[in-house]
Amino acid sequence: SQQGEEDPQALSIQEGENATMNCSYKTSINNLQWYRQNSGRGLVHLILIRSNEREKHSGRLRVTLDTSKKSSSLLITASRAADTASYFCATGHSGGGADGLTFGKGTHLIIQP
Amino acid sequence: EAQVTQNPRYLITVTGKKLTVTCSQNMNHEYMSWYRQDPGLGLRQIYYSMNVEVTDKGDVPEGYKVSRKEKRNFPLILESPSPNQTSLYFCASSPFGQGNQPQHFGDGTRLSIL
Repeated sequence: SQQGEEDPQALSIQEGENATMNCSYKTSINNLQWYRQNSGRGLVHLILIRSNEREKHSGRLRVTLDTSKKSSSLLITASRAADTASYFCATGHSGGGADGLTFGKGTHLIIQP
Repeated sequence: EAQVTQNPRYLITVTGKKLTVTCSQNMNHEYMSWYRQDPGLGLRQIYYSMNVEVTDKGDVPEGYKVSRKEKRNFPLILESPSPNQTSLYFCASSPFGQGNQPQHFGDGTRLSIL
């Protein structure tokens, strides 16, 4: 069942600008993850934030999580052409169940050189 | 190199002709799963396996079978493919028997069923 919903569906910015993508979800979660998918390739895990964390950084990536609003954001700073890709949020269910992640439909990010 | 390998990468076939998509991982991961990705629908889980000889249905299992006889392999079987199974398929794995941890994905298999 679909849970995460990314916003916007598509985003086009100039190289060097910051890109912000949002994700909303509906039910309680154990963790929330962000993935990147380059055209024609598989998904690559970027960052995981647990339900008891509010913010996490990894290089040029910053993820925030607001469990009261059931939302998360992914910020990519100083964007580069190589950041052009689709970005997906995925929720891991509470209780650490054996079933998989629930993915959103993704945000397609285009970095204009 | 640690990786998840799917074969074939592309396949065009006809309705009713049985096919198997193979998936192999070299990371000794316990958890493996299959997803399909369709425009406007995102990724949906088909089947998953917590370990050898343990498999279970995901969100969209109809028309698919899987097996997990060895830890490294998790083939996806379409016994009688139909056009609505035309999609992009991904195999994924993670170290422990839990599906809510970071997943390692293969590069995908694009299936077209005519």
